[in-house]
Amino acid sequence: DAGVIQSPRHEVTEMGQEVTLRCKPISGHNSLFWYRQTMMRGLELLIYFNNNVPIDDSGMPEDRFSAKMPNASFSTLKIQPSEPRDSAVYFCASSPDLGGYTFGSGTRLTVV
Amino acid sequence: SQQGEEDPQALSIQEGENATMNCSYKTSINNLQWYRQNSGRGLVHLILIRSNEREKHSGRLRVTLDTSKKSSSLLITASRAADTASYFCATFGNEKLTFGTGTRLTIIP
Repeated sequence: DAGVIQSPRHEVTEMGQEVTLRCKPISGHNSLFWYRQTMMRGLELLIYFNNNVPIDDSGMPEDRFSAKMPNASFSTLKIQPSEPRDSAVYFCASSPDLGGYTFGSGTRLTVV
Repeated sequence: SQQGEEDPQALSIQEGENATMNCSYKTSINNLQWYRQNSGRGLVHLILIRSNEREKHSGRLRVTLDTSKKSSSLLITASRAADTASYFCATFGNEKLTFGTGTRLTIIP
């Protein structure tokens, strides 16, 4: 089992550009979560999916952020247009129902 | 928004000593989980305790949960240099996991 796979590991982009983060959850896990981690705000839940359906996106900061899960093995988090304040580490995690979460290694996003 | 608050924010102890971290939360929960994060890495799940459990053990880890006080503690016994990391409690309720602010643990060899 390769765990939760995120790509890219690092992303540096200019303000205004579109950024797409990718995640492959663990096979058989029916819940997928996107978190953002910053020094100031800690770990924040952005959105989560259950059986590929978005359940709660109340943590998405604003309309510039969108997430999709077209199938059970793939999810994307898109920021368009990106801003410097979006700089953070973005984590994807997956979980079976009510179990512990398995996190990916994260994507460190820097918007300059 | 963060549900849990860890205490202390930072802790430094000598190798071999025990480390205790505390977590307080605000709302009702289904379970409470502890995670470790090494610098620059993702979070690793350590242990889960359900709301109807009071204590749980896993190797050198001991977790307690007091739902009346809305608090939990994580004890790491016989600490090792490799235990140096940030430790987060996370509460599971309303179908989602909400993380606390974390405790930065440093083990001094």
